[in-house]
Amino acid sequence: DGGITQSPKYLFRKEGQNVTLSCEQNLNHDAMYWYRQDPGQGLRLIYYSQIVNDFQKGDIAEGYSVSREKKESFPLTVTSAQKNPTAFYLCASSSRDRGLHTGELFFGEGSRLTVL
Amino acid sequence: AQKVTQAQTEISVVEKEDVTLDCVYETRDTTYYLFWYKQPPSGELVFLIRRNSFDEQNEISGRYSWNFQKSTSSFNFTITASQVVDSAVYFCALSEGRVAAGNKLTFGGGTRVLVKP
Repeated sequence: DGGITQSPKYLFRKEGQNVTLSCEQNLNHDAMYWYRQDPGQGLRLIYYSQIVNDFQKGDIAEGYSVSREKKESFPLTVTSAQKNPTAFYLCASSSRDRGLHTGELFFGEGSRLTVL
Repeated sequence: AQKVTQAQTEISVVEKEDVTLDCVYETRDTTYYLFWYKQPPSGELVFLIRRNSFDEQNEISGRYSWNFQKSTSSFNFTITASQVVDSAVYFCALSEGRVAAGNKLTFGGGTRVLVKP
């Protein structure tokens, strides 16, 4: 079945360590996104990529890094520079309809990161 | 700057009651899109509806209906005859209309709906 796979589902990290969250999609979508969700808050955009080898910062990119070497993969690294990394991270992708973005995002099931 | 406000943080209803979720948005763009997503306990968000700024017709899909009012910058969502399976967090979102912006959605804080049997 087509979809977005995020791993790991749960991750624990010690302060000062970098951690990488995986996001893979087999929907053949051009664009991919990383969002962060905190309890009682909406989703905030960390990074997004509209095409391979290109990505842009979202609203809260500080302390995070990404790469987009393959169309189907968009890993997110949470670095030690991120002051408050404990959160729920959601990866998403989207397609285009006749060249225009459809607006519909397809989400993975998320990765919950806890910093000890 | 874009902003989406969902003033209701949590709503609790008994099964078969109707529930309306409020969404108020702010944008300077004349072309924009509004969305509703559902987040069940499993975590992934599920797309429910998209509406562009030029289409103010209300929409009904089964037990779901949406009321878009440009004059009040609102895009409210009603679940009729709620069921336990409707229990989830619901997000309203806004996207700029320019193609170059991609699907950079601005989300509201979400409304948690709890439907009790």
